[in-house]
Parts: sequence; C-alpha cells; structure tokens
Amino acid sequence: GAGVSQSPSNKVTEKGKDVELRCDPISGHTALYWYRQSLGQGLEFLIYFQGNSAPDKSGLPSDRFSAERTGGSVSTLTIQRTQQEDSAVYLCASSLVGGAGIEQYFGPGTRLTVT
Amino acid sequence: QQPVQSPQAVILREGEDAVINCSSSKALYSVHWYRQKHGEAPVFLMILLKGGEQKGHEKISASFNEKKQQSSLYLTASQLSYSGTYFCGTSRGANSKLTFGKGITLSVRP
Repeated sequence: GAGVSQSPSNKVTEKGKDVELRCDPISGHTALYWYRQSLGQGLEFLIYFQGNSAPDKSGLPSDRFSAERTGGSVSTLTIQRTQQEDSAVYLCASSLVGGAGIEQYFGPGTRLTVT
Repeated sequence: QQPVQSPQAVILREGEDAVINCSSSKALYSVHWYRQKHGEAPVFLMILLKGGEQKGHEKISASFNEKKQQSSLYLTASQLSYSGTYFCGTSRGANSKLTFGKGITLSVRP
C-alpha cells in the first residue's frame, strides 16, 4: 500500500515568511510524528499526535512552530516568521498505534531552505 | 537525553562483519534501529524492548543489554546495500517519545 507522503518535497522561502508542510500518514495509522533533521545531526523530535489525545508538543523549538492534525489523518506543520536556523529536512512518520514499542514509517521529508 | 552511537563511521569490504552500538546513561524501555540512505526516508530495522522482546527483519541481528543500557546491531556478511546511516532511537517509557542519536555512517565497498 501507499507509504507516508509529504509535500512539498522542497521549499525555499525568504526569512520572515510563513511556511506550511504537509504530511499524509499511512491509512489507518493512528499515531503521527514530526521530526527535524539538520545536516550531520540525528532526528530531532518535534511533536507527536496519538488518536484523539492531546498532542505531545514538548519538542517544538519555539512558539513560531505549530502543528495540527485534522480528522485524525493529514497533518500540517506551520513555521511562522521563518529564520535561517529553521533550514533542515522535516520528516513525518506514522505508526499503527502510538507507543515506544511500535515501529515508525517515515515519509521522504520536506527540505526547507530559508534564505 | 540523546543516546551516544559508536563508532562514528565504519568502512567495510563486501562480506565483512561490523558491530555498531547505541548507549544511554538512563534506563530504557526500548531501542529502535533505522537505516537511512542518502536522500531517502529512514527505514525501520529493529525494535528491542526491555524484557527481551524483539521485533524486526529476520536478517537483522541485534542485542539489548539492560544492565549497561546499550544496544548493538550486528551486520554480518555485509552487502553493498547495507551502506547508509544507521540511527538508534531510545525511549524511557512505553508511551514516551523517541530520542535519536546522531547516526553512524556505514560504507560497504566492493
């Protein structure tokens, strides 16, 4: 079946602009995660949605970052007033259910470049 | 707290074996292993849980030493397709988020 998809694949924006990144999880997966990957770094956790529970936002680096998940499926990560340090690959992952014992399936990522 | 992965990089010839490690200073509930090829999404390899349960691909071998809070991934008879960056992600509880290490770059040469 279809995997996790993300759009756009690449985004170049000017400093100070807002951007929206989209994630379509695998159908039927109730858990959705956003990560950020900077050059030479690991995967930095941003936010985690599990079903109808309140999301775990503990990884969001500042209040310029927000995310929502509509209808338990598609998720949008919004970065307001982008800064150059926001440049990175933003990865989305989903899993059948939430929890640390369940494998995550990753999308191809959105490469964000802030100029 | 971010787990520490070692070594930082590995270069192998086809057919050689390698062991890569992931360590934490905190008690862990689970360790995940993923492989990422350049420009691609990370791909699931293995989960090791506190208590000994493992889930993953049959051809992948790994261990989790709960006393040392260390996991090792064993790559035997390496193939060119094993090349990539290997990330471990650790969690401290069943409902906790994963914290990933910086990754180990593994290159298999003909």
